[in-house]
Amino acid sequence: QSALTQPASVSGSPGQSITISCTGTSSDVGSYNLVSWYQQHPGKAPKLMIYEGSKRPSGVSNRFSGSKSGNTASLTISGLQAEDEADYYCCSYAGSNTFVVFGGGTKVTVL
Amino acid sequence: QVQLQESGPGLVKPSQTLSLTCTVSGGSISSGSYYWSWIRQPAGKGLEWIGRINTSGSTNYNPSLKSRVTISLDTSKNQFSLKLSSVTAADTAVYYCARGSFTCDYWGQGILVTVSS
Repeated sequence: QSALTQPASVSGSPGQSITISCTGTSSDVGSYNLVSWYQQHPGKAPKLMIYEGSKRPSGVSNRFSGSKSGNTASLTISGLQAEDEADYYCCSYAGSNTFVVFGGGTKVTVL
Repeated sequence: QVQLQESGPGLVKPSQTLSLTCTVSGGSISSGSYYWSWIRQPAGKGLEWIGRINTSGSTNYNPSLKSRVTISLDTSKNQFSLKLSSVTAADTAVYYCARGSFTCDYWGQGILVTVSS
């Protein structure tokens, strides 16, 4: 049981937009603007896509955007492309007892 | 460009201690106010944060693993290490080292560690 809840799978057609949710609690997502999102292709290490809720690292496409409302963070991928097919994980700071929690991951399929 | 590389035994016997090292290149492990983390991923499952260490040597651990985990830093070798004691089959996973803790911008390629007799 992961600390943050994500849908197991999300799918979309090329060019469409999809949104992945990440639901936590008032002890993690709701209390800190420190949610990050990672993309992981099979057999590869995760890649940072979004940090501090909505910031994009250099080199990450602006088709990826992050937001937060209450205890739920979201990752939106616009203009879906075949290369976006991967697993996506959210991660949050969770205070000075638990420190870091991950979501269970969402498999994105491009139809 | 910072690069991280995990190393260590790929096979550990049950009840023994898993020991891994992460070698950092392209920058000093002691420069900047970074945390350095270990994260693992069982086959077909999600990511689990194990713990972190900062450049001062201060550590924080996942509460569910805290009693078995030790993370240390060797600045002379530009490395940090993980020790996980009393391992069982449930500890079989790909182990990653990374720069950061909740925001990890650089990752190693990962190393598969299997716990089996």
